[in-house]
Amino acid sequence: EPEVTQTPSHQVTQMGQEVILRCVPISNHLYFYWYRQILGQKVEFLVSFYNNEISEKSEIFDDQFSVERPDGSNFTLKIRSTKLEDSAMYFCASIPSGGYNEQFFGPGTRLTVL
Amino acid sequence: GQNIDQPTEMTATEGAIVQINCTYQTSGFNGLFWYQQHAGEAPTFLSYNVLDGLEEKGRFSSFLSRSKGYSYLLLKELQMKDSASYLCAVRDRWSNQGGKLIFGQGTELSVKP
Repeated sequence: EPEVTQTPSHQVTQMGQEVILRCVPISNHLYFYWYRQILGQKVEFLVSFYNNEISEKSEIFDDQFSVERPDGSNFTLKIRSTKLEDSAMYFCASIPSGGYNEQFFGPGTRLTVL
Repeated sequence: GQNIDQPTEMTATEGAIVQINCTYQTSGFNGLFWYQQHAGEAPTFLSYNVLDGLEEKGRFSSFLSRSKGYSYLLLKELQMKDSASYLCAVRDRWSNQGGKLIFGQGTELSVKP
């Protein structure tokens, strides 16, 4: 069964460094999302992406964040200058079409900022 | 504002039935979802309701009342492996309008022998 994959599974970085989190959505999917979950807290929406542009972004998704679909398969989340409070689990999700209901989540990347 | 409330934790016995409630107040509504999440793992889809009533899927059932802003997830014949966090989430718009999931805090269910 096709799955959303994410790399790396765990990333440790120093405060102020740039990180790129990678996701490979299921191949025929068209709508893509990033969510994050700080330890012990709820899953929070960051950004949705369709047709090579951002559909919606949350208040969390400030100028330090960007997303890209560079090659038709990868979907990346970049954090330009990480802060301690960016430490969280980051989940990528996708759906095949606008009428579809279930969002398929990847296994997540645990980001630790020291 | 967006507000989704569910109990923080619940305990139940193996073989029993448990009901996890969720109330919501969101600026848009286009479906209510239940996800299961084991510690350190991704949420996995359990059920979806967009119309009022009960949806049944094996040992899991989910109910929705849009007028009351209320849903519940019913788990029957509980097994130890059902110990997990159960997340209630509302989609605010159709996905082709950029519909995102707004999650509640999650209910940590512990199943005891």
